[in-house]
Amino acid sequence: TQLLEQSPQFLSIQEGENLTVYCNSSSVFSSLQWYRQEPGEGPVLLVTVVTGGEVKKLKRLTFQFGDARKDSSLHITAAQPGDTGLYLCAGLVGGKLIFGQGTELSVKP
Amino acid sequence: EAQVTQNPRYLITVTGKKLTVTCSQNMNHEYMSWYRQDPGLGLRQIYYSMNVEVTDKGDVPEGYKVSRKEKRNFPLILESPSPNQTSLYFCASSRRIASSYEQYFGPGTRLTVT
Repeated sequence: TQLLEQSPQFLSIQEGENLTVYCNSSSVFSSLQWYRQEPGEGPVLLVTVVTGGEVKKLKRLTFQFGDARKDSSLHITAAQPGDTGLYLCAGLVGGKLIFGQGTELSVKP
Repeated sequence: EAQVTQNPRYLITVTGKKLTVTCSQNMNHEYMSWYRQDPGLGLRQIYYSMNVEVTDKGDVPEGYKVSRKEKRNFPLILESPSPNQTSLYFCASSRRIASSYEQYFGPGTRLTVT
């Protein structure tokens, strides 16, 4: 089974700080996605990256796909309490989507 | 409104009593899947279906069955539930975008097996 390792697993920061979440694997993925999940709800897709080296921005969130398509990062600039939630990366291998364990982010006002 | 619905949202049952969790989507997606989510383990795929009458095992299929008789529905069946199947279950439907799938998740079903 291909594994996606996310780090850190937990992150507690103050409003206004920057942070980066990493998603690493020894496998090559045809695409990689980031989801955000709030308590009591299903994950919601934030972004899909498909090209090695690709960078996508979503307001204060910047997503990068590694050149070798084995890893990805999510960078949040000036975090806000509304960014609090579980962030999940997921890689597509064949017809299956493999998820990382998730990063629990808490942004305190 | 485009959505994935699951029922029930909460279920407490006893070991060995067969149960079905329904999943329905109104987006005409071909790809549907079931996941379970457990603390520290993230989301693990149970079964997926790439089209009607086509189903495949995911990473943790033991103890589960699925069927895909029509495009919109993808029920998850636990023939003889056991306590280790206590978990939060999500159904998802997906549309193909380039070399990936955009997944839309249902609201989740919290199952407790005693």
